[in-house]
Amino acid sequence: DAMVIQNPRYQVTQFGKPVTLSCSQTLNHNVMYWYQQKSSQAPKLLFHYYDKDFNNEADTPDNFQSRRPNTSFCFLDIRSPGLGDAAMYLCATSNQGGSSTDTQYFGPGTRLTVL
Amino acid sequence: KQEVTQIPAALSVPEGENLVLNCSFTDSAIYNLQWFRQDPGKGLTSLLLIQSSQREQTSGRLNASLDKSSGRSTLYIAASQPGDSATYLCAGGARYKLSFGAGTTVTVRA
Repeated sequence: DAMVIQNPRYQVTQFGKPVTLSCSQTLNHNVMYWYQQKSSQAPKLLFHYYDKDFNNEADTPDNFQSRRPNTSFCFLDIRSPGLGDAAMYLCATSNQGGSSTDTQYFGPGTRLTVL
Repeated sequence: KQEVTQIPAALSVPEGENLVLNCSFTDSAIYNLQWFRQDPGKGLTSLLLIQSSQREQTSGRLNASLDKSSGRSTLYIAASQPGDSATYLCAGGARYKLSFGAGTTVTVRA
């Protein structure tokens, strides 16, 4: 089945220790998104890629970076995690163009714990 | 900036009752409105998407309406079942820039 895969599902890191979260997709969608969702809160868009074009949200901290080496993969790098960065990180994809409807398809998320 | 609100935050109903979930948004220049389901500790599953030119969408027991002039969307779930227990989130905004509500957590009692 075509899907959005996130690894790892659970990640524990230490305060200030860089961490990378991974997202891959078999949907061949051209747009990929990263969201941060803290407990009982709404998901918050961090950034998105349209193909290779990176689009950062104005209020996304500089501590968060992203890479998209190819269509299938997208990475979220947190350079110096703080306690406030503990959250669920959600990756999503959508396809633009043709008869697409802009529906976003989400992965299962990576829960990040910062000690 | 689009602000999305969902009230109430939680809802409990007996099995078989119809569910009505509300979503309000501040900017009527919305590209589309999407409803998602989230189970505890999991990602989001898309339920319905309403384009800005549409008034409603239906899928099985689910029906979602969109009224841009009043800044409201409603998700109806007919004949609720215990398996419908989850958090339901709505999201809207500009293309590629969804703003989410915090969700309504639904419990369907058997």
